[in-house]
Amino acid sequence: AQRVTQPEKLLSVFKGAPVELKCNYSYSGSPELFWYVQYSRQRLQLLLRHISRESIKGFTADLNKGETSFHLKKPFAQEEDSAMYYCAPLWGGSARQLTFGSGTQLTVLP
Amino acid sequence: DAGVTQSPTHLIKTRGQQVTLRCSPKSGHDTVSWYQQALGQGPQFIFQYYEEEERQRGNFPDRFSGHQFPNYSSELNVNALLLGDSALYLCASSPGLAGIEQFFGPGTRLTVL
Repeated sequence: AQRVTQPEKLLSVFKGAPVELKCNYSYSGSPELFWYVQYSRQRLQLLLRHISRESIKGFTADLNKGETSFHLKKPFAQEEDSAMYYCAPLWGGSARQLTFGSGTQLTVLP
Repeated sequence: DAGVTQSPTHLIKTRGQQVTLRCSPKSGHDTVSWYQQALGQGPQFIFQYYEEEERQRGNFPDRFSGHQFPNYSSELNVNALLLGDSALYLCASSPGLAGIEQFFGPGTRLTVL
């Protein structure tokens, strides 16, 4: 069965420090992978998609098919990065669905 | 464009009752997906509607049913409510079935007493 694991429920870093949010997935095919973010009192929104290879708000994510990981990284964390982050593979055939991890609450301390 | 809208915002029901939640997709989107988010958990996929048909379904019992209307809006119905159905119900819309980028609504908070 498709499974997503985000091992850290809570993560705190100081402003300016590097941050890495871990995500591991198990899936028999080749899913598309996404990171979604939810800032305080805002709705869930897409942060980045691995296939686009974009850097959004300084975040990047590398897909490691061998380790089936899709960790989210940022070299210098900012206080406004404090939020809940969800890793979400998209899988399926013609109709596809997102499978969300349990999320990591990132707090960036001043 | 208001984006994805959901109603009501909050709802309190008792065990055994039935509930209907509503969702209007973002303008230009024709696919609606529903998710259940329990406290402290990530959203869990319930089902997806496209062209007024259920196209994909997650691991939820038949008590959970839905509908999509010709204007692409959607309803989620839950029968015979259980305490465990208490959660935030999220609706997301996307253009087409590929679901590349899903836009989420603010959710409906359902409390079952």
